Amino acid sequence: ILNVEQSPQSLHVQEGDSTNFTCSFPSSNFYALHWYRWETAKSPEALFVMTLNGDEKKKGRISATLNTKEGYSYLYIKGSQPEDSATYLCASIKAAGNKLTFGGGTRVLVKP
Amino acid sequence: DTEVTQTPKHLVMGMTNKKSLKCEQHMGHRAMYWYKQKAKKPPELMFVYSYEKLSINESVPSRFSPECPNSSLLNLHLHALQPEDSALYLCASSPRDREGEKLFFGSGTQLSVL
Repeated sequence: ILNVEQSPQSLHVQEGDSTNFTCSFPSSNFYALHWYRWETAKSPEALFVMTLNGDEKKKGRISATLNTKEGYSYLYIKGSQPEDSATYLCASIKAAGNKLTFGGGTRVLVKP
Repeated sequence: DTEVTQTPKHLVMGMTNKKSLKCEQHMGHRAMYWYKQKAKKPPELMFVYSYEKLSINESVPSRFSPECPNSSLLNLHLHALQPEDSALYLCASSPRDREGEKLFFGSGTQLSVL
């Protein structure tokens, strides 16, 4: 894989349900993977920075896993709430560089 | 103060105009970034300043001219832009110019070039 790709592009979730989505990134020369949450009309906000294969991070009801060998990360939202509605962006960075390459985002809409 | 402040929030300009976008942070961060996001596309890096020096220019056309007058301020001077330059321009900062650090973003300037 050459670029950072996210799937699905969008998803609708019923309030209370759990969901997850994927970020795929180039595994060669990998250094770190970032996850950002971007609510409409606000600033993107960092959720996680992950560097180690097998890493798992958690923030409240949101968690993420990382597989650097195969080049993917999952983001999980447990018990989705309307305030979780946002676009979730992932971005990877290669070693010896400071250039984050973003995926296109997964837009999550939580329905009450 | 953990905010990155961008002004203006919206800007409409003609192709012959000169305008500037401003970005400010007071977190003591020493790396600052400009990103450009076209509709339904990922943000794309334009410039990186590290300790007030330009460290990365992603082959951006010269009609975009960045400036970092001090460690808290980042400007993007715009001149003779084209309609295809219409986009959301995001500023970000990080503590230092290091790979593993998370970015702190502003809310962006939505630019329309007529």
